[in-house]
Amino acid sequence: AQSVTQPDIHITVSEGASLELRCNYSYGATPYLFWYVQSPGQGLQLLLKYFSGDTLVQGIKGFEAEFKRSQSSFNLRKPSVHWSDAAEYFCAVGAQGGSEKLVFGKGTKLTVNP
Amino acid sequence: DTAVSQTPKYLVTQMGNDKSIKCEQNLGHDTMYWYKQDSKKFLKIMFSYNNKELIINETVPNRFSPKSPDKAHLNLHINSLELGDSAVYFCASSLGTGGTGTQYFGPGTRLLVL
Repeated sequence: AQSVTQPDIHITVSEGASLELRCNYSYGATPYLFWYVQSPGQGLQLLLKYFSGDTLVQGIKGFEAEFKRSQSSFNLRKPSVHWSDAAEYFCAVGAQGGSEKLVFGKGTKLTVNP
Repeated sequence: DTAVSQTPKYLVTQMGNDKSIKCEQNLGHDTMYWYKQDSKKFLKIMFSYNNKELIINETVPNRFSPKSPDKAHLNLHINSLELGDSAVYFCASSLGTGGTGTQYFGPGTRLLVL
């Protein structure tokens, strides 16, 4: 079964600074990887996803993520953070032909200082 | 138009009561899910239905009973509510089963059991 780890529970950055949120997954075959964002009091919104092909994927709101098979990682990045990016970020891993479910990491809370 | 909607948004009730949460999606998806998010923001799948058929049933107390009258609706009924049921419950939907399809989430139902 697949699993995912987000090592950072809480990250604080200043507005305008760059951001990298870490995600490590465990799965024997090629995973399906997702990043979701949850603003306070809201549901989850998909930022980006990786299924195959180019390992650098672009998402909404200026986010990107890079799939690195050798490191079992799918880190989320943004070059310049805005105050509105403050939210909870979830990495998730799915699999084809295996467990028919999406497994979420425990989330990373992002605080943005003015 | 709201893609995935849930009612009610807030639910405050006494221990021992029975309550239902409703979910509807207008995306034409064939798979729907219920997730529970605890106070630490951990998101865990409870149930999944594909074309009205139950395909995922995680280790959930049998006080929780999902019901899918058609592909666009998935309701969750909870009997004999307990304090530990307090959480945010999210409905989601996808095209195809959960391992690979992008899931779209509703706004959540915040349940508080007193």
